[in-house]
Amino acid sequence: GEDVEQSLFLSVREGDSSVINCTYTDSSSTYLYWYKQEPGAGLQLLTYIFSNMDMKQDQRLTVLLNKKDKHLSLRIADTQTGDSAIYFCAELTRGKLIFGQGTELSVKP
Amino acid sequence: NAGVTQTPKFQVLKTGQSMTLQCAQDMNHNSMYWYRQDPGMGLRLIYYSASEGTTDKGEVPNGYNVSRLNKREFSLRLESAAPSQTSVYFCASSKTSGGPIGELFFGEGSRLTVL
Repeated sequence: GEDVEQSLFLSVREGDSSVINCTYTDSSSTYLYWYKQEPGAGLQLLTYIFSNMDMKQDQRLTVLLNKKDKHLSLRIADTQTGDSAIYFCAELTRGKLIFGQGTELSVKP
Repeated sequence: NAGVTQTPKFQVLKTGQSMTLQCAQDMNHNSMYWYRQDPGMGLRLIYYSASEGTTDKGEVPNGYNVSRLNKREFSLRLESAAPSQTSVYFCASSKTSGGPIGELFFGEGSRLTVL
């Protein structure tokens, strides 16, 4: 079936690295995504990775994909208070995006 | 630069009442979606429309109907609201039906409370 799982909360100190983890079930997913939701707003695409890649780096963001374990992670380097938000993992399966529950990242000064 | 516009932003209903959430996008996107967001559940797809004139059920369609009025507009109707439909509803659009790059553009959400 289609299921994407994330832990619900993560708290880090400003300047530290944050790692948000996600597991998915559909091994045929072609793309995997990270979306960010700031308070009171809709979701915005943060980054994505194609399923034939292991890693993608985009400035402070690093996405790691382990296809064997169906595990996706998002690392944010030098986390800032402005990074406080809910982060959603999503997989593209059968033409639809299936989202995880979202991980609420809290950044303490 | 409107993007995806949803109305209303807030609504309180009594059990059994009906209402329609409106959504419009000005990006000439083919595909449109309705999601609901509940604490600890993430976003769940209610209905989607891959192109004008077509609609399909998502994960949680029961209690809802949709209309793809034209390429720009996609409405969500609750015929007889129930407390379980208390949620934040998001409309989204994308260029294609999800691939190869599933970038969805979201509205700001509509917060619905059913008493």
